[in-house]
Amino acid sequence: GQNIDQPTEMTATEGAIVQINCTYQTSGFNGLFWYQQHAGEAPTFLSYNVLDGLEEKGRFSSFLSRSKGYSYLLLKELQMKDSASYLCAVSGLRDDKIIFGKGTRLHILP
Amino acid sequence: GAGVSQSPSNKVTEKGKDVELRCDPISGHTALYWYRQSLGQGLEFLIYFQGNSAPDKSGLPSDRFSAERTGGSVSTLTIQRTQQEDSAVYLCASSLRGQGAEPQHFGDGTRLSIL
Repeated sequence: GQNIDQPTEMTATEGAIVQINCTYQTSGFNGLFWYQQHAGEAPTFLSYNVLDGLEEKGRFSSFLSRSKGYSYLLLKELQMKDSASYLCAVSGLRDDKIIFGKGTRLHILP
Repeated sequence: GAGVSQSPSNKVTEKGKDVELRCDPISGHTALYWYRQSLGQGLEFLIYFQGNSAPDKSGLPSDRFSAERTGGSVSTLTIQRTQQEDSAVYLCASSLRGQGAEPQHFGDGTRLSIL
């Protein structure tokens, strides 16, 4: 079966660091994406991982372990504007099907 | 246009009516995706087009749903005999070639409400 799990909600403090985990079980693996979605808006691309390891991009980093079916998104120096849903998505054996998790709603407190 | 354009942005209709949703992808993007997002839920994959072809239609929820793409550009998603459970935001996305490594660019969606 196809399954992507991520926490439903998380809360963190402005200026702090937060790690959002994602585990997946899919038929085949072609890469893992993280998207950010503010309420009422379209998702926007954050990162893509296909090889094991950490990809750093400014305040955001994404990690992948293919053997464990595990990824995380790390957000540093949190800002109020980071309050949003973060969607983990996996591209499977076929390019024509991208499976999205239900998203993690991140609340940032001042 | 600069981004993916969807119309209408909002649609309210009565149960049993047919609706047609439109997506205009980024110019030159050959891959086009339709998703559905219910309140507080993740994205549900509906269908993917590579050019004008949709190799797999199994993601469509029922035979009331159909989609087409003409000229390798604009796509329409049609829902016949709408039901209340069809109420959701319908998102369209496009990517350059539809290959696994490419990010998808999303439109702002059509918010569909069935009364």
